[in-house]
Amino acid sequence: DAKTTQPTSMDCAEGRAANLPCNHSTISGNEYVYWYRQIHSQGPQYIIHGLKNNETNEMASLIITEDRKSSTLILPHATLRDTAVYYCIVSPYSGSARQLTFGSGTQLTVLP
Amino acid sequence: DVKVTQSSRYLVKRTGEKVFLECVQDMDHENMFWYRQDPGLGLRLIYFSYDVKMKEKGDIPEGYSVSREKKERFSLILESASTNQTSMYLCASKTGLAGADTQYFGPGTRLTVL
Repeated sequence: DAKTTQPTSMDCAEGRAANLPCNHSTISGNEYVYWYRQIHSQGPQYIIHGLKNNETNEMASLIITEDRKSSTLILPHATLRDTAVYYCIVSPYSGSARQLTFGSGTQLTVLP
Repeated sequence: DVKVTQSSRYLVKRTGEKVFLECVQDMDHENMFWYRQDPGLGLRLIYFSYDVKMKEKGDIPEGYSVSREKKERFSLILESASTNQTSMYLCASKTGLAGADTQYFGPGTRLTVL
């Protein structure tokens, strides 16, 4: 699986957009970009995924560059409850049982 | 919404005890996973199952066993708990249909072995 690189930590003011970057320069053609987050002492929560088009759901937007070597997760109006570790993962399109490899992630702190 | 539940949020056991961690999912998913999460080590896969009664070892199966008698339930068993098994245990499930690799996690069980 392709490796991802994320900043260790970021701060964001409450009510502002949080933009979390991820580099995945070795991503291959059949690999999706996934974002999960983990609030302290809870299980990881799926946020969004995409292949090459930008995606939006009720939680966030995912912007993938044209060359697919990087992406940005956008939380449009961050709240204090969005404080969490955010993980960017690449993994292929598959129905088989395969583990997700979580890196170190980005600790996002939303400040009041 | 997919729901994955785990039998306990917090558990304290003594060294040598047999420990059962239960996980139930309500989305008819074929694949289920047990991970443990430790500071600085990320999530590590213990065992996974791709069907009833089927199981495969993950990266760190030593000291653990699993049971999947029904599709919705996947149990992790610590035959004789040791202090180095103190950890956060996370269960996850995923559809077996070809498609995105989205895994849905339970809330976790924080196990302390004294």
